Amino acid sequence: SAVISQKPSRDICQRGTSLTIQCQVDSQVTMMFWYRQQPGQSLTLIATANQGSEATYESGFVIDKFPISRPNLTFSTLTVSNMSPEDSSIYLCSVETDYGYTFGSGTRLTVV
Amino acid sequence: GDSVTQMEGPVTLSEEAFLTINCTYTATGYPSLFWYVQYPGEGLQLLLKATKADDKGSNKGFEATYRKETTSFHLEKGSVQVSDSAVYFCALKDYGQNFVFGPGTRLSVLP
Repeated sequence: SAVISQKPSRDICQRGTSLTIQCQVDSQVTMMFWYRQQPGQSLTLIATANQGSEATYESGFVIDKFPISRPNLTFSTLTVSNMSPEDSSIYLCSVETDYGYTFGSGTRLTVV
Repeated sequence: GDSVTQMEGPVTLSEEAFLTINCTYTATGYPSLFWYVQYPGEGLQLLLKATKADDKGSNKGFEATYRKETTSFHLEKGSVQVSDSAVYFCALKDYGQNFVFGPGTRLSVLP
């Protein structure tokens, strides 16, 4: 199955700033997915990123707040913009493989 | 829409005890079912999956059987270890749809 490298693994950021999270896959994949896991909760899909087209956002998430890039079939970034303490979460990327869905190790973001 | 319900945690067991974490689902189609595990400070790892009714997924001593008649996918392990302490997520994915995750069940295994 695919191996995902996600970074940074954690960060503490000041409110009002932005953080870009990177996700690198060791094989080419059509779709990449970005999830948010708020403290003590399950995963919520933010958006689906296809190479060569704009990301598709789920209800409650907008491109201005969570811009996504997908420059090629092995890489994607998620930016959390104009952060507030409510954005403190774990952010995970995911890809589909023949066996199932593989997740990155996550980025634990704390906004102070 | 599709949904997943899991037993509430936390679940605390002694080492070598038998584990069951209940999971039931509602779906309009015929989804694949998954169990993911999240160890402290880490991302999600696929534990096992089943793609059709009566399939049994198994891995690392964990098992779950896809029961269409009861819309369930309960996770079991005969003898848990301290290293099994983690949060377990039941999930489903219907064809052409996104993943739907349950709320997660935290398991603590005491030596």
